[in-house]
Amino acid sequence: EDQVTQSPEALRLQEGESSSLNCSYTVSGLRGLFWYRQDPGKGPEFLFTLYSAGEEKEKERLKATLTKKESFLHITAPKPEDSATYLCAVQSRSNDYKLSFGAGTTVTVRA
Amino acid sequence: NAGVMQNPRHLVRRRGQEARLRCSPMKGHSHVYWYRQLPEEGLKFMVYLQKENIIDESGMPKERFSAEFPKEGPSILRIQQVVRGDSAAYFCASSPAGTGTYEQYFGPGTRLTVT
Repeated sequence: EDQVTQSPEALRLQEGESSSLNCSYTVSGLRGLFWYRQDPGKGPEFLFTLYSAGEEKEKERLKATLTKKESFLHITAPKPEDSATYLCAVQSRSNDYKLSFGAGTTVTVRA
Repeated sequence: NAGVMQNPRHLVRRRGQEARLRCSPMKGHSHVYWYRQLPEEGLKFMVYLQKENIIDESGMPKERFSAEFPKEGPSILRIQQVVRGDSAAYFCASSPAGTGTYEQYFGPGTRLTVT
């Protein structure tokens, strides 16, 4: 069964204080790794898909990277509006429609 | 360009009643997925549907839960004889195709409270 572990559970940052979130995964043949952002009371909002080790993607202050065992979401110079729960999910080649999610990292950015 | 729509956004049911949750996928998407998010837990896959077909319902409890995606109209997740443990947020997602590396786009969710 696919396993996704995210750390830390919670992260409190000062505005401008860069940091990284970790997503460790175990999957029988990775099809894709996905990052989502979820605000309180809302549905997950798609951010990135990574397909192979070494791949990187960027969007504004966010940068996602992928290795064979983990993915990192780097937040550079965060702003209060970056406060949210960030979710990592994987799809395997054997079940290439099912997303298996981690529990998420809740990021709070203080002004 | 409307996103995934779900209704109702909040639903309160007494134990033993039925709950019906509706999901309209994004325009051009023909594949629907339902996920459940229990308090303090991550999102869990429940069921994957295409028009008039259930492809995978392995994540859905065997009893009381059913899902459909008819030729016309929204996808429906139905929970019969609800119990307190069914209280959760239920999210629907859609994609333009079921296989391949297509992203799934989520709706705002239906928050079910069983009293």
